[in-house]
Amino acid sequence: GNSVTQMEGPVTLSEEAFLTINCTYTATGYPSLFWYVQYPGEGLQLLLKATKADDKGSNKGFEATYRKETTSFHLEKGSVQVSDSAVYFCALSGRSGTYKYIFGTGTRLKVLA
Amino acid sequence: GAVVSQHPSWVICKSGTSVKIECRSLDFQATTMFWYRQFPKQSLMLMATSNEGSKATYEQGVEKDKFLINHASLTLSTLTVTSAHPEDSSFYICSATDPDRMFEKLFFGSGTQLSVL
Repeated sequence: GNSVTQMEGPVTLSEEAFLTINCTYTATGYPSLFWYVQYPGEGLQLLLKATKADDKGSNKGFEATYRKETTSFHLEKGSVQVSDSAVYFCALSGRSGTYKYIFGTGTRLKVLA
Repeated sequence: GAVVSQHPSWVICKSGTSVKIECRSLDFQATTMFWYRQFPKQSLMLMATSNEGSKATYEQGVEKDKFLINHASLTLSTLTVTSAHPEDSSFYICSATDPDRMFEKLFFGSGTQLSVL
């Protein structure tokens, strides 16, 4: 079945550091890929998405490229801020069957001033 | 943008009582809603898929009689935790897909923190 593997956290960075959170997936067909963010005390929000191979999703300085050859969707940001401290979830949705969303285990990011 | 409203945001109950959580789509008709459970510092575990007008589809290991799901209208799904026990204490999150944007976006409620004493 479909699955998402995400790097374990927590990740602690200084402000303005470069961020990479790895995400790989296993899926049949051609899934859509997502990054969701959960700020403390809040629900999940969509951060960015990509619906086909080689697509690059971007938002708020974050980027991720849909790599079919490596089945990856790594999240990157060139310069993190304290306000980026949150839990980041990689997810996929299938294009056939039940269209369920499968989430990774989440990576907690803490950015220090 | 689309909004999903979840209520209550937190609830404390005694062991053995039942608790109902509501999930509403405010500006779109959600034919499908999903219920997740999130343990501290862990990912979301899909509990069930709720389809308007039909029975919910439960994931393996989720007790149907324990977690009753009703999706009676296109804008409302409810999750009832029956005869709650302390091990049911968790963060429950609902989500919905906009049928006009299927596959592209999942809208989440703000979650319900359930504490069973």
